[in-house]
Amino acid sequence: NAGVTQTPKFRILKIGQSMTLQCTQDMNHNYMYWYRQDPGMGLKLIYYSVGAGITDKGEVPNGYNVSRSTTEDFPLRLELAAPSQTSVYFCASSYGDLTETQYFGPGTRLLVL
Amino acid sequence: TQLLEQSPQFLSIQEGENLTVYCNSSSVFSSLQWYRQEPGEGPVLLVTVVTGGEVKKLKRLTFQFGDARKDSSLHITAAQPGDTGLYLCAGGNAPRRAGNNRKLIWGLGTSLAVNP
Repeated sequence: NAGVTQTPKFRILKIGQSMTLQCTQDMNHNYMYWYRQDPGMGLKLIYYSVGAGITDKGEVPNGYNVSRSTTEDFPLRLELAAPSQTSVYFCASSYGDLTETQYFGPGTRLLVL
Repeated sequence: TQLLEQSPQFLSIQEGENLTVYCNSSSVFSSLQWYRQEPGEGPVLLVTVVTGGEVKKLKRLTFQFGDARKDSSLHITAAQPGDTGLYLCAGGNAPRRAGNNRKLIWGLGTSLAVNP
């Protein structure tokens, strides 16, 4: 099993550009999450999904969109990149919630200039 | 708002020393997880505790969940350079109520450096 994979690993965007961060898991997990991690600021939940076709906002959803058309994939869309979105983005998945292990991908480092 | 405070924020020790890091809150959590994150990688789960007063051991790591389920500690015995990383705690919010979204609350982490 590959676990949780994310692409790309690193990307530089200009202000106003758009991009999609890809996330795929092969563990047949129901729950999937997108976090951003800024230096010294811990993990902030952007969006999460409890199953295909179901998504919900986390703590910091503004400027982002998600979709969950399949169990495996949970892409994160940035429509109009802003310098405040410079961060490291982690996708994670779990079989259930709260007491279940969250498995993280290796992260995507995004720089918006 | 539920918050998890981790202390210390940074810790630099010599190989072989013992250390304890803390995860504290004024709120009750139904469960608490500890993760370790190495540079350039995602967090990896170390342990989940769910019962007040619970103690779990993972080789040289000892985890304790407070009796009131508001705090937790991680003790490392004879630290090694391989223990270097960011230690994150994450709490599951209180039992399900109407309108209560069940999500993990994350602390900011303790950055540990173990020097050879």
